[in-house]
Amino acid sequence: AQSVAQPEDQVNVAEGNPLTVKCTYSVSGNPYLFWYVQYPNRGLQFLLKYITGDNLVKGSYGFEAEFNKSQTSFHLKKPSALVSDSALYFCAVRDSNTDKLIFGTGTRLQVFP
Amino acid sequence: ETGVTQTPRHLVMGMTNKKSLKCEQHLGHNAMYWYKQSAKKPLELMFVYSLEERVENNSVPSRFSPECPNSSHLFLHLHTLQPEDSALYLCASSQDLLGTSGGYGANVLTFGAGSRLTVL
Repeated sequence: AQSVAQPEDQVNVAEGNPLTVKCTYSVSGNPYLFWYVQYPNRGLQFLLKYITGDNLVKGSYGFEAEFNKSQTSFHLKKPSALVSDSALYFCAVRDSNTDKLIFGTGTRLQVFP
Repeated sequence: ETGVTQTPRHLVMGMTNKKSLKCEQHLGHNAMYWYKQSAKKPLELMFVYSLEERVENNSVPSRFSPECPNSSHLFLHLHTLQPEDSALYLCASSQDLLGTSGGYGANVLTFGAGSRLTVL
């Protein structure tokens, strides 16, 4: 079965430090990969996506993600974390059989001042 | 606001009540979705509508009944729910569905803030 995994329930990082939120996937064919963010009491907001092209994808709020085909990963990164980045982050991948989105379980990012 | 508005934001209901959740999008999108979000679980797709026609009913119990009167509005009617139905219900929209299979996997979704449902 095709799937996406976010191995960390929570990531803690100090403000100003780089952050990484991990995502791995298992799909057949070329993956379509997404990151969404959910701030408290809000719906999910689209951050970025990879469909084809450059392995490094730049998105909203200074976030970027690197597509690594050999490691089947699509980790979300930011060079310098802000307290306001604290939120729940979801990775998603397109199931190539059903053409539906499969979401991960989410990773809570906590940025400490 | 993201362009997708959900009401009410919070709802508490008994197991015998009937209530409805409402979603409205102001983006001119043609596809709308209902998702269920429970803690530490992946988002569960419930229903997908394209141009007011239901294209996905993801094995959802009949106590949940969707309605899409036009491409801007989506309702979720709730009837005799169970406590395990307590969750955040998210509405989303996207420009279109791709292909004839109802596939949407390449689309960017715009979500509402959700309706937090508690079933007593």
